[in-house]
Amino acid sequence: NAGVMQNPRHLVRRRGQEARLRCSPMKGHSHVYWYRQLPEEGLKFMVYLQKENIIDESGMPKERFSAEFPKEGPSILRIQQVVRGDSAAYFCASSPVLALFTDTQYFGPGTRLTVL
Amino acid sequence: GENVEQHPSTLSVQEGDSAVIKCTYSDSASNYFPWYKQELGKRPQLIIDIRSNVGEKKDQRIAVTLNKTAKHFSLHITETQPEDSAVYFCAASPLQGAQKLVFGQGTRLTINP
Repeated sequence: NAGVMQNPRHLVRRRGQEARLRCSPMKGHSHVYWYRQLPEEGLKFMVYLQKENIIDESGMPKERFSAEFPKEGPSILRIQQVVRGDSAAYFCASSPVLALFTDTQYFGPGTRLTVL
Repeated sequence: GENVEQHPSTLSVQEGDSAVIKCTYSDSASNYFPWYKQELGKRPQLIIDIRSNVGEKKDQRIAVTLNKTAKHFSLHITETQPEDSAVYFCAASPLQGAQKLVFGQGTRLTINP
């Protein structure tokens, strides 16, 4: 049973470019969460999605950031016009739907974004 | 909203000794408290969790205690080993079911041989 998959693992962008980060949840999971981790800091919640729905985007910056989880395919976190302050590790987590405990979240390996 | 404070930020113990990391939370409605271990450059790995209907949970050398009245919970690692060296994060989930996690700032644990 494959775990949460993220790609790319490392992404380098120049200021002003777009970054697209992908996340495939574990098999049987349809809740996806995105977190950002700045160097030497904790994880900060960004957005929580279910298939075709954004449930909670209270941690997402209002501009330049968007997320989706289509009916088919991975969840995408999109950052437009990246700035140096966007450099961070972006982690995706997933949790199951039909289980006793739907709150248990399992993390992917992360995408390390570097903005030059 | 929920706020989670974690202490200490760094902890150094001798191999074989015990380590304790403490967290406090602000939202009395929070009911799920996981602990994650993160090695350098790796993903956070769930090591143990506790729900608000339980006061203590153990898994081999790891235990977690929860005091709902005081709104704090602690991670206890006994007989520490070098491979326990990592950053540990506590978290709280403010609502029932599948919801976001609010993380503490992390504790860098170093086990000295």
